Amino acid sequence: NAGVTQTPKFQVLKTGQSMTLQCAQDMNHNSMYWYRQDPGMGLRLIYYSASEGTTDKGEVPNGYNVSRLNKREFSLRLESAAPSQTSVYFCASSELGSYNEQFFGPGTRLTVL
Amino acid sequence: AQSVTQLDSQVPVFEEAPVELRCNYSSSVSVYLFWYVQYPNQGLQLLLKYLSGSTLVKGINGFEAEFNKSQTSFHLRKPSVHISDTAEYFCAVSTNSGYSTLTFGKGTMLLVSP
Repeated sequence: NAGVTQTPKFQVLKTGQSMTLQCAQDMNHNSMYWYRQDPGMGLRLIYYSASEGTTDKGEVPNGYNVSRLNKREFSLRLESAAPSQTSVYFCASSELGSYNEQFFGPGTRLTVL
Repeated sequence: AQSVTQLDSQVPVFEEAPVELRCNYSSSVSVYLFWYVQYPNQGLQLLLKYLSGSTLVKGINGFEAEFNKSQTSFHLRKPSVHISDTAEYFCAVSTNSGYSTLTFGKGTMLLVSP
């Protein structure tokens, strides 16, 4: 039981390049989330998927797209990376319901030059 | 919409001393409250949560928090900290109105020194 896994762990991009961050969970959770963490800003929600087949914007969606590929997998795509997207990205999952604990992956550290 | 304020960005404390990390929230509807901990270079893990019932909530690693509705607070406490408690702590809130996502505070770095 691996929980929430994220790939890659580290990535360096040049401005304008694209990439996809992968996330998978093996807990049979309905809901999945993408956050970014910046120093002094806490975690900010980028996109979430309340259940398979649905996605919604969070607080900071600009410059990102997501795909809920199936119940297990939720990917985050940067179409044209910008230095402002340098951050640590966390994926999380939970059972449906806002009272439920979210389980977090180990994070992807992304640097955009 | 809900919001969370963590009043201290950093709290230095000596080993075996008590500590309190402060959290205040704002919401127009009933809330669920959470404390998460992040150890260096790791993801977040749940320390404790308040859903309803008793206002004093006990969590892992000897932490506890008290929900105070009148003061809209959910402060985290530990009577005696260890070096291993050095980490960043995040308070978070969601609501019971429809589908609510978690809103996190900016975090408090707890620095425990010998």
